[in-house]
Amino acid sequence: AQSVAQPEDQVNVAEGNPLTVKCTYSVSGNPYLFWYVQYPNRGLQFLLKYITGDNLVKGSYGFEAEFNKSQTSFHLKKPSALVSDSALYFCAVRDIWVAGNTPLVFGKGTRLSVIA
Amino acid sequence: EAQVTQNPRYLITVTGKKLTVTCSQNMNHEYMSWYRQDPGLGLRQIYYSMNVEVTDKGDVPEGYKVSRKEKRNFPLILESPSPNQTSLYFCASSLGGALGGRADTQYFGPGTRLTVL
Repeated sequence: AQSVAQPEDQVNVAEGNPLTVKCTYSVSGNPYLFWYVQYPNRGLQFLLKYITGDNLVKGSYGFEAEFNKSQTSFHLKKPSALVSDSALYFCAVRDIWVAGNTPLVFGKGTRLSVIA
Repeated sequence: EAQVTQNPRYLITVTGKKLTVTCSQNMNHEYMSWYRQDPGLGLRQIYYSMNVEVTDKGDVPEGYKVSRKEKRNFPLILESPSPNQTSLYFCASSLGGALGGRADTQYFGPGTRLTVL
């Protein structure tokens, strides 16, 4: 079965500092990996995804994530955090090789708080 | 504007009173899905649909029904709501196609906050 773990419920970072939101996954085959962000009272917005190719994926709003197959991780990063980045972040995975339709499995979310 | 819309955005109801939450997308997507979001549990899939008249259960389907009679619409039906269905509900859609469009980005609606008393 596929699963996603976001080990930190809350991440606090000072504005201007680099930020990392951690994600590890488990699939039987190879993964498709996604990051979404949820602002208060809003739906989820797509940030970036890894399908294949370059392990470093660049996405919206200056975010990037690195796919690490040996560590089964897909951590979200940004070189310089903004107060407006404060939100709830979700990592999600889909197994490429499972037969039939497979749902997008989400982690429990990590709340990022950027302090001015 | 490409979007997924949900109605209502907020709903307070009582146990046992049937309700429907509508979902509509204007992107001609084949794949649509319903999720519920609960604190500490992330998003869990309720039902999904790979195309018109093709629906299937997700991880937490008990107490819910869906239908897909038109490509753009995917309503979520609670025949007899109970307090444990109090949650934030999201509809999502993606392009779909071969293998259920596993690499596709899902686009989410704004959410429906349901309270069952």
